[in-house]
Amino acid sequence: DQQVKQNSPSLSVQEGRISILNCDYTNSMFDYFLWYKKYPAEGPTFLISISSIKDKNEDGRFTVFLNKSAKHLSLHIVPSQPGDSAVYFCAASARNTGNQFYFGTGTSLTVIP
Amino acid sequence: GAGVSQTPSNKVTEKGKYVELRCDPISGHTALYWYRQSLGQGPEFLIYFQGTGAADDSGLPNDRFFAVRPEGSVSTLKIQRTERGDSAVYLCASSPGGKLAYNEQFFGPGTRLTVL
Repeated sequence: DQQVKQNSPSLSVQEGRISILNCDYTNSMFDYFLWYKKYPAEGPTFLISISSIKDKNEDGRFTVFLNKSAKHLSLHIVPSQPGDSAVYFCAASARNTGNQFYFGTGTSLTVIP
Repeated sequence: GAGVSQTPSNKVTEKGKYVELRCDPISGHTALYWYRQSLGQGPEFLIYFQGTGAADDSGLPNDRFFAVRPEGSVSTLKIQRTERGDSAVYLCASSPGGKLAYNEQFFGPGTRLTVL
């Protein structure tokens, strides 16, 4: 069963605009969430994380929002740049059950110049 | 090296053969993970090492899959009697922390395994 879901396989955004990538999870024990970015033929690269004690974490153009009651998180990229075009994966873990990370299926973001 | 490296980058084998995939983690990282990524899917957890020991191997799909990390650094994922369904990109990741740590994982470029 897919415990982390990314329901939008792709997203296109104009350069300079906001990109919003969404992620839903089912396991209420998850307490740590990460976003990874992946270019073709490369491994995923860590982007930003958030623990369940927070509802927002910001790093430059990237902000992750966590809504625990809805079991939903989102990644906002503002302003979007063509170099942001990649596949974005959401991942989650439950610290008290070990270090296993569960990944979503990814959203392919295309930023149009 | 600066990052996680994996060899080979590509491996083509025939059904029924044995393969070994190697991962060199970032120096000093005690945690090492193996994932499998099939087309259109996210990385799927296989096994996690803390030091030399497999702390969690619950993701290994069956007993044809085995992984070792004898000296707490390099790890080898071994697949016996390969099947066409084993075709995927096998990703390795390492992180600095110990058990229950909030640590990001640093991924290698992966090994693309194709079983004909």
